Amino acid sequence: DARVTQTPRHKVTEMGQEVTMRCQPILGHNTVFWYRQTMMQGLELLAYFRNRAPLDDSGMPKDRFSAEMPDATLATLKIQPSEPRDSAVYFCASGLPSTGGDTEAFFGQGTRLTVV
Amino acid sequence: AQKITQTQPGMFVQEKEAVTLDCTYDTSDPSYGLFWYKQPSSGEMIFLIYQGSYDQQNATEGRYSLNFQKARKSANLVISASQLGDSAMYFCAMSDNFNKFYFGSGTKLNVKP
Repeated sequence: DARVTQTPRHKVTEMGQEVTMRCQPILGHNTVFWYRQTMMQGLELLAYFRNRAPLDDSGMPKDRFSAEMPDATLATLKIQPSEPRDSAVYFCASGLPSTGGDTEAFFGQGTRLTVV
Repeated sequence: AQKITQTQPGMFVQEKEAVTLDCTYDTSDPSYGLFWYKQPSSGEMIFLIYQGSYDQQNATEGRYSLNFQKARKSANLVISASQLGDSAMYFCAMSDNFNKFYFGSGTKLNVKP
């Protein structure tokens, strides 16, 4: 049963600490998305990768956020230093562009981050 | 500019009745995909149904169907024979030519027994 795996599922950290969230995309998927979900902003696209290369990270605060794909089976999202306003659920999704060009995204279960 | 608009923040439906969740989109790309996701209270995002912009027929998946009206740029989700387990947030999404994935603000559906 192929699925996107995110770790950790929950994270509570103190303000100023580094947070690293990990995502294992579905094997064979070459597109990875990072989303942040909050009550106020809904689902925001932070960054996405195609074949491990970042295509767009304009939704991400550059001063503290960074996203990478060290290899095809791992995507990471780091926040350093973390702030209370970063508290949200972070979703990773992976997909494979269809012949029509669009990409269906399969979501992981999310990482619920609380920064105190 | 808002790409996906869901105008119904919340809706109620009686169990076993059909319900339509509205979604309109904005794009100038000739090729795009439209999606619906369900997010129950557990928080996971569950893919429901997909419609390609060039598909001639409306997509169907079990009790879900997508009422695709290209000229109106609408992609409404129809759930037939609602069940209590359908109570959740529903998100409409679009993937454009650049393969960015845009989400609407969601509709919270409550199914009443």
